[in-house]
Amino acid sequence: DIQLTQSPSFLSASVGDRVTITCRASQGISNCLAWYQQNPGKAPKLLIYAASTLQNGVPSRFSGSGSGTEFTLTISSLQPEDFAAYYCQQLFNYPRTFGQGTKVEIK
Amino acid sequence: QVQLVQSGAEVKKPGASVKVSCKASGYTFTVYHMYWVRQAPGQGLEFLGWINPNSGGTDYAQKFQDRVTMTRDTSISTAYMELSRLRSDDTAVYYCAREVGINAFDFWGQGTMITVSS
Repeated sequence: DIQLTQSPSFLSASVGDRVTITCRASQGISNCLAWYQQNPGKAPKLLIYAASTLQNGVPSRFSGSGSGTEFTLTISSLQPEDFAAYYCQQLFNYPRTFGQGTKVEIK
Repeated sequence: QVQLVQSGAEVKKPGASVKVSCKASGYTFTVYHMYWVRQAPGQGLEFLGWINPNSGGTDYAQKFQDRVTMTRDTSISTAYMELSRLRSDDTAVYYCAREVGINAFDFWGQGTMITVSS
């Protein structure tokens, strides 16, 4: 199985901060990576697919980059509604594994 | 609009089985694979497997191979996930989600809380 390692696991930031989350794959996955946001008690919400394509309706302050084994999710200016957990997921092969998650908390 | 609506929360005893349903609407059910993912309290997302609603073909994560069964009823656009021989560490929210051609899970069910307790 492909392992995904996210860093950091926890992030404390303020409104307006630029935030970057990294996801590293245990083997090359081309651009077959998605990012999700999850608020407490809610289902995950798709933010980015194919490593860098913004899902319809997602604010442009979110962006993704990377290919191969290293990927990043960037929030250019953190908003109050962005305090949540974020997960990467590889869709290169089966099983469709997830990173362990990054929780973004208010400083 | 696309919706995946799951069945309600359940409490089960260790050793029992549970069957969760996921009713799809707003799109052609047989076109996209349906996945099942779970999340234990305070933990991350764990992949269980998927079903091809068109053929009924399935693929399960190795960890759940001998305990999980995924089925579907195309007449009512509903996918099912049954987990047997439940243990306390199966306590989690179980989600269905569809994967589309963009290689991502674009719609998710609301989740079903399964509690395993004696």
